[in-house]
Amino acid sequence: GENVEQHPSTLSVQEGDSAVIKCTYSDSASNYFPWYKQELGKRPQLIIDIRSNVGEKKDQRIAVTLNKTAKHFSLHITETQPEDSAVYFCAATGAGSYQLTFGKGTKLSVIP
Amino acid sequence: DADVTQTPRNRITKTGKRIMLECSQTKGHDRMYWYRQDPGLGLRLIYYSFDVKDINKGEISDGYSVSRQAQAKFSLSLESAIPNQTALYFCATGDSQSVNQPQHFGDGTRLSIL
Repeated sequence: GENVEQHPSTLSVQEGDSAVIKCTYSDSASNYFPWYKQELGKRPQLIIDIRSNVGEKKDQRIAVTLNKTAKHFSLHITETQPEDSAVYFCAATGAGSYQLTFGKGTKLSVIP
Repeated sequence: DADVTQTPRNRITKTGKRIMLECSQTKGHDRMYWYRQDPGLGLRLIYYSFDVKDINKGEISDGYSVSRQAQAKFSLSLESAIPNQTALYFCATGDSQSVNQPQHFGDGTRLSIL
């Protein structure tokens, strides 16, 4: 089955700096890669996703890149703000599958 | 707003007790999932269901059972709870009308087993 590795497990940045979280996956047939943000005590919420026919997708300060050859994808947050502090999860799903395999999460702390 | 609702939100119980966690949704989605979240381990899939007659084991199904009572309802049971089942449990839904769509999570149930 699919295996997703996520790094780093914790990340601290100064407000205004950029943050990058990286994930690798094992199943070359995987073709959908969502990112979820989970604030303390809240439910995971989708912030951006990318499909395998696209190499990059951007939504305001958030972007995701996908390298299918290397089987890795990354989340980029620019101009970080204190409200970006949360745990971020990457996930992957295989072709024709409705199951998501999640990474173990990255705790992002944005220091004012 | 269409949503995913979990009850109870918090539960403290003793070892050996039977516990049921409930999930209902108004999103009209056919797929429903139960996950367990432990610190540092991410979200791990317990069971999932694609319709009322379909139940599938996930990565960590031992010690758990589920029931899909209707398209909108999916419950998770711990027949005889043990302390290492203390965790945060999430229900999620998805729409199989289109592959590669996100899952939508409920607010979670924090379960403590003493």
